[in-house]
Amino acid sequence: SQTIHQWPATLVQPVGSPLSLECTVEGTSNPNLYWYRQAAGRGLQLLFYSVGIGQISSEVPQNLSASRPQDRQFILSSKKLLLSDSGFYLCAWSAPGLAGAGSQYFGPGTRLTVL
Amino acid sequence: AQSVTQPDIHITVSEGASLELRCNYSYGATPYLFWYVQSPGQGLQLLLKYFSGDTLVQGIKGFEAEFKRSQSSFNLRKPSVHWSDAAEYFCAVGSRSNDYKLSFGAGTTVTVRA
Repeated sequence: SQTIHQWPATLVQPVGSPLSLECTVEGTSNPNLYWYRQAAGRGLQLLFYSVGIGQISSEVPQNLSASRPQDRQFILSSKKLLLSDSGFYLCAWSAPGLAGAGSQYFGPGTRLTVL
Repeated sequence: AQSVTQPDIHITVSEGASLELRCNYSYGATPYLFWYVQSPGQGLQLLLKYFSGDTLVQGIKGFEAEFKRSQSSFNLRKPSVHWSDAAEYFCAVGSRSNDYKLSFGAGTTVTVRA
């Protein structure tokens, strides 16, 4: 069966510090990978998605970047955090193409607080 | 562009009572529709999905949803709510033309009272 991991679970960082959140998927190959941000009381905003190694699409302009160095690893980064980067970050995966057809499976999330 | 509206921000229901959560979508062609549930501080869990065929779909935890094209709706229902159903529920829409990326509604928080 497939499993998705995210770490850390909780993170408190000062403004201007760097960020690295990691997501890994087990039990599947060539998944589509996604990073979402969920602000308090709001829905999910898609930040990045990837259909393969080194292939990253950015959905919104922002202070963040993403990388996919391996097939089942997805990293969310920032060089300098802003207060507005606080939120709950969720990684998700889906099977590629029609096989997945949008059925996404989510990790447990990372709660980021920028002070 | 695809979008989802969940008209109800918060619903309170008694344990054992029925529950219906509303979802309206906007998309020109046949959408792929999903319901997810999120417990506090957790990730999202897929409850059910509609791609094609029978418009009444069954999901996990006793939930079902009905796709009504004429009303652009995909409402979620459960006949008898349990205290463990207290959570936030998200409706989402995707499409092949949009690379199967999902657009999520703002969510409905369900409170279950004893």
